[in-house]
Amino acid sequence: GAGVSQTPSNKVTEKGKYVELRCDPISGHTALYWYRQSLGQGPEFLIYFQGTGAADDSGLPNDRFFAVRPEGSVSTLKIQRTERGDSAVYLCASSLYPAGAPGHYYNEQFFGPGTRLTVL
Amino acid sequence: GQQVMQIPQYQHVQEGEDFTTYCNSSTTLSNIQWYKQRPGGHPVFLIQLVKSGEVKKQKRLTFQFGEAKKNSSLHITATQTTDVGTYFCAGGDAGGTSYGKLTFGQGTILTVHP
Repeated sequence: GAGVSQTPSNKVTEKGKYVELRCDPISGHTALYWYRQSLGQGPEFLIYFQGTGAADDSGLPNDRFFAVRPEGSVSTLKIQRTERGDSAVYLCASSLYPAGAPGHYYNEQFFGPGTRLTVL
Repeated sequence: GQQVMQIPQYQHVQEGEDFTTYCNSSTTLSNIQWYKQRPGGHPVFLIQLVKSGEVKKQKRLTFQFGEAKKNSSLHITATQTTDVGTYFCAGGDAGGTSYGKLTFGQGTILTVHP
């Protein structure tokens, strides 16, 4: 596809349930990012992948959150035992190279439309 | 950890007036990016600055990166109704261990009255 796609666009779940959110990045982009955005706030970094490996997962709030990118393309964000505080829009982005990588400038991140997660 | 603050939180202007939003980081930045998010939409990249004191222009938009690489600004000349949205800065920590992590500011919501 032409851009980053995310599925589902909306997810309503009950407290304590498990959810998976999917991201399809732009073809050929090596870096993939997950953010969480609450109303009135900027995107909050969760994790980013360079290829198949998680290069930085320092933003994951706790061990209920986990993400994978097994083949270096599609990524899945997994949330166990969801809590009401997990409700937010989960944004995925991809870039050709990681932002700030030496020698690689203009590493703009292309964002997907997001998945709105509501935990009841 | 790194913090990125943006001011003002809100800005209401009449069409044709100028607009400026400021971004300040608690740490030295490797690069700073600016994004625009329309209501109900997702962030869209505007520009990336990497050099100390860098100034870049895109039509009516002027972006600056401070000499110390800890602050940045976005100035819009003669705003138009199409400029409505939330403007975010996002910085990479120069002292960080990974290149890819960006810390976003909380954004400035711009409203333009026709």
